[in-house]
Amino acid sequence: NAGVTQTPKFQVLKTGQSMTLQCAQDMNHEYMSWYRQDPGMGLRLIHYSVGAGITDQGEVPNGYNVSRSTTEDFPLRLLSAAPSQTSVYFCASSYGETGGNGYTFGSGTRLTVV
Amino acid sequence: DQQVKQNSPSLSVQEGRISILNCDYTNSMFDYFLWYKKYPAEGPTFLISISSIKDKNEDGRFTVFLNKSAKHLSLHIVPSQPGDSAVYFCAASIGGGADGLTFGKGTHLIIQP
Repeated sequence: NAGVTQTPKFQVLKTGQSMTLQCAQDMNHEYMSWYRQDPGMGLRLIHYSVGAGITDQGEVPNGYNVSRSTTEDFPLRLLSAAPSQTSVYFCASSYGETGGNGYTFGSGTRLTVV
Repeated sequence: DQQVKQNSPSLSVQEGRISILNCDYTNSMFDYFLWYKKYPAEGPTFLISISSIKDKNEDGRFTVFLNKSAKHLSLHIVPSQPGDSAVYFCAASIGGGADGLTFGKGTHLIIQP
């Protein structure tokens, strides 16, 4: 099992460019979510999805778009990159009604916006 | 306003001793609390969790205690091992976690030989 796969692992963007961070899971999980981790800030929720076709905003959604056309994929789009979006991005998935079983995280995408 | 707080950015413990990591929360709606461990350049990995209807959960060397009245939980690691050196995040969820997790800022645990 590959688990949660994020691509790319590293990316450098220029201010104003757009890009898509890819996230795929092969565990047939219902719930998926995106987080960003900044130094000293922990992980903050960007967007989440409870199933194909359903998405919602988290704590820090501005500047990001998501869609969930299949159960497996949950891409995160940066519309017009800004230096404030320099961060490490994590995608996570869970089979639903997770309660105490937690989310499985990908290994992250380190994004630098210059 | 932070709903999940980890007030100790770092903690140093001798190998073989007990490590105690603390976490406080403000939202009474949280019904599950989770601990994640994170190594550099890797994603967080799930460690242990506790339901809000319990006050203790144990898994091998790891025990989580929950004090609902104080809105406080702690993770105990006994005995501490060198491989336990990592950043530990406290997280909480509502209603099964459908709308994601709320994380604290993390505590960097350093196990000294």
